[in-house]
Amino acid sequence: GEDVEQSLFLSVREGDSSVINCTYTDSSSTYLYWYKQEPGAGLQLLTYIFSNMDMKQDQRLTVLLNKKDKHLSLRIADTQTGDSAIYFCAESTTSGTYKYIFGTGTRLKVLA
Amino acid sequence: DAGITQSPRHKVTETGTPVTLRCHQTENHRYMYWYRQDPGHGLRLIHYSYGVKDTDKGEVSDGYSVSRSKTEDFLLTLESATSSQTSVYFCATGQGGEPQHFGDGTRLSIL
Repeated sequence: GEDVEQSLFLSVREGDSSVINCTYTDSSSTYLYWYKQEPGAGLQLLTYIFSNMDMKQDQRLTVLLNKKDKHLSLRIADTQTGDSAIYFCAESTTSGTYKYIFGTGTRLKVLA
Repeated sequence: DAGITQSPRHKVTETGTPVTLRCHQTENHRYMYWYRQDPGHGLRLIHYSYGVKDTDKGEVSDGYSVSRSKTEDFLLTLESATSSQTSVYFCATGQGGEPQHFGDGTRLSIL
């Protein structure tokens, strides 16, 4: 079945770049998403990429998509302590109901 | 975000009692979703709705029911709560191919 996998933890130093990785299984996904969750809060959409794109850049965020390997990554440049959060990737299903399959989330810890 | 309000935000109840969680949206989005979030599992879809009175099951629907009598409201009911249903519940809304937007969650503890 459909599955999305992420590593559970990532620790970086303030000012460094962070790279969060995700693999997915549904090769027919239309969109892939990155969400951020801060403690006690809901999920905030960070960015998303259409499946026919290889890369998308939005300020400090860069999304890379390797469709052949079903690999998605989120790079955060100049990581700040405010970036400490859980990051979820998600793929949309191809059905008309626009359901998402979420990864387990990667907890990013930024060290000052 | 996207005018989504979940109520209550926190609830503690006992095993065997019925519980209803409410999701209210002001964006007139067609699609609404209920997820639960548990450590090590990310978010898992419980039920979703694709219109008034149109609902369907997600991957973890056992023990839950939903209703949507108006576009703006989507209710999640635990008919007889069990300790395994202790979780954080999120409502989300979407409009076709647009990204889903999430509420702030309901933390439910079942003792």
